[in-house]
Amino acid sequence: GDSVTQMEGPVTLSEEAFLTINCTYTATGYPSLFWYVQYPGEGLQLLLKATKADDKGSNKGFEATYRKETTSFHLEKGSVQVSDSAVYFCALSHNSPSGGYQKVTFGTGTKLQVIP
Amino acid sequence: EAEVAQSPRYKITEKSQAVAFWCDPISGHATLYWYRQILGQGPELLVQFQDESVVDDSQLPKDRFSAERLKGVDSTLKIQPAELGDSAMYLCASSLEGPTAQYFGPGTRLTVL
Repeated sequence: GDSVTQMEGPVTLSEEAFLTINCTYTATGYPSLFWYVQYPGEGLQLLLKATKADDKGSNKGFEATYRKETTSFHLEKGSVQVSDSAVYFCALSHNSPSGGYQKVTFGTGTKLQVIP
Repeated sequence: EAEVAQSPRYKITEKSQAVAFWCDPISGHATLYWYRQILGQGPELLVQFQDESVVDDSQLPKDRFSAERLKGVDSTLKIQPAELGDSAMYLCASSLEGPTAQYFGPGTRLTVL
């Protein structure tokens, strides 16, 4: 079945440092890929997405490129801020085995702590 | 901006009691999801609706959990009886059809004593 693997956290960085959170997936065909962010005490929010190979999703300084050859969708940001401290979830959306609906699979999340 | 509404935001109950959670998705979103999120983990899908029909409830503990979306709009998730292990955040999300993003509500944090 489909699966998403994220690097374990927590990841602790100083403000203005470069961020990479690794995400790899297992799925047949061409899933859509997403990054969601969850701030403390809140629900998940879509951060960015990519729906086909080589697409780059970007938002709020974050980027991720859909790499079919390495089945990866790593999240990057050039200069993190304290306000980026949150849990980041990688996810994929794919046709169910029956083909009747889109099935979503989440990774376990990576906690990011940015210190001043 | 349209949002997914959930209530209550917090619920404390004793084990063996019944609890119910409500979700109102974004207008026009045909797909509705209920997730359970245990602290420190990713969301686990409990049930997925397409309009009023259940399309995936393979991870729903059907001996105690039930979900309905009678008119294909808002939805209710019920637990009866609640157990200590049910303590978690229950998230509702909705999406348009197709490979589009989900929009999440703020969640209901359940504590079972």
